[in-house]
Amino acid sequence: AQTVTQSQPEMSVQEAETVTLSCTYDTSESDYYLFWYKQPPSRQMILVIRQEAYKQQNATENRFSVNFQKAAKSFSLKISDSQLGDAAMYFCAYGDFGNEKLTFGTGTRLTIIP
Amino acid sequence: GAVVSQHPSWVICKSGTSVKIECRSLDFQATTMFWYRQFPKQSLMLMATSNEGSKATYEQGVEKDKFLINHASLTLSTLTVTSAHPEDSSFYICSAQLLGPMNTEAFFGQGTRLTVV
Repeated sequence: AQTVTQSQPEMSVQEAETVTLSCTYDTSESDYYLFWYKQPPSRQMILVIRQEAYKQQNATENRFSVNFQKAAKSFSLKISDSQLGDAAMYFCAYGDFGNEKLTFGTGTRLTIIP
Repeated sequence: GAVVSQHPSWVICKSGTSVKIECRSLDFQATTMFWYRQFPKQSLMLMATSNEGSKATYEQGVEKDKFLINHASLTLSTLTVTSAHPEDSSFYICSAQLLGPMNTEAFFGQGTRLTVV
């Protein structure tokens, strides 16, 4: 079974600074997807960024980028120019290729310091 | 983007009663929907996979007779918590898989907070 580990229960960053959230996973599959989801106080799950395992290039979405290390099974999220609206729980998730059944990590609560 | 609507957003029920939660894909067809449960300050745990026109697939440890799932159409899945008890109080979230070859994203409903008193 796949597992996802987020070792940072809480993180904080000064507004406008950069922060990196860590995620490691375990799988025996070669094709899969990795995701970062944001869950603000409203509890709505919002997709931040996704990475296809077969792609070597790291995904980027505006201020959000990932460092995907397939051999190390590591998938970290970097948030640049942090904004107050970035404050939320961030979940790393794993999905098998062709199946949207997701396995989530335990989450990292990100606080933005004004 | 695709929209998934979940109803109700919150519900309070008495112990022993049943509660139905709806999950609708508003602008796309979803052959597969997923139901998750989230306890306070914890992660999302998959409960079951809901397949249109067939029986749901439950994860290990989830009581299928307690959590009834029906996926009667390509846009609607329902989760019924039968004979609810206080320990069933939780946040329930559904997600829907977009039908098509590029099914690489799950769209989530806004969740339902269930409180059993």
